Amino acid sequence: AQKITQTQPGMFVQEKEAVTLDCTYDTSDPSYGLFWYKQPSSGEMIFLIYQGSYDQQNATEGRYSLNFQKARKSANLVISASQLGDSAMYFCAMSADPGSGTYKYIFGTGTRLKVLA
Amino acid sequence: ETGVTQTPRHLVMGMTNKKSLKCEQHLGHNAMYWYKQSAKKPLELMFVYSLEERVENNSVPSRFSPECPNSSHLFLHLHTLQPEDSALYLCASSQAQGWNTGELFFGEGSRLTVL
Repeated sequence: AQKITQTQPGMFVQEKEAVTLDCTYDTSDPSYGLFWYKQPSSGEMIFLIYQGSYDQQNATEGRYSLNFQKARKSANLVISASQLGDSAMYFCAMSADPGSGTYKYIFGTGTRLKVLA
Repeated sequence: ETGVTQTPRHLVMGMTNKKSLKCEQHLGHNAMYWYKQSAKKPLELMFVYSLEERVENNSVPSRFSPECPNSSHLFLHLHTLQPEDSALYLCASSQAQGWNTGELFFGEGSRLTVL
């Protein structure tokens, strides 16, 4: 069965420093996508970054980068130069289509990040 | 217009009420989703519609009834809910291509409280 695990319920980071949010996944599908989302207190889920299972290079989007280690089945999010506005819940997610036409898209339990001034 | 719009943002209802949540996407996407977000639990996928056809029904109780009249609109009809159904209900859309569902674009959610 597919599963996403985020082992850090909460994290603190000093402003302007980098922080790594952990995510491990489990799937038997050869093709899958890995995503990170940010959820501020307002509730809206905001897409941050995507990594495809066949992508050779780690994805980067501005201050966000995804440390993809396929053999270890990990997809950690690295936020560089943290800002106060980065304080939010962060969710790791995975999508995989087992070929049956269904859209499997599962989320981890999230990590609450607090950036300190 | 923002990408995905949900109404109402907040809803309080009794267990015998009938209400509906509405979702509208302005992104031209071909798939729409309902998720339930409860405290301290992962997001739970409830329903998926692809090109207006339901492709996923994740063992959701029949008191939740989805409707997708066209590719831009998605409803969640609520009837005789239980207090444990109180949660944030998130609508999302994506442009699915082959096996890749694409990133989800979420609305701001509808906070439901069942008394």
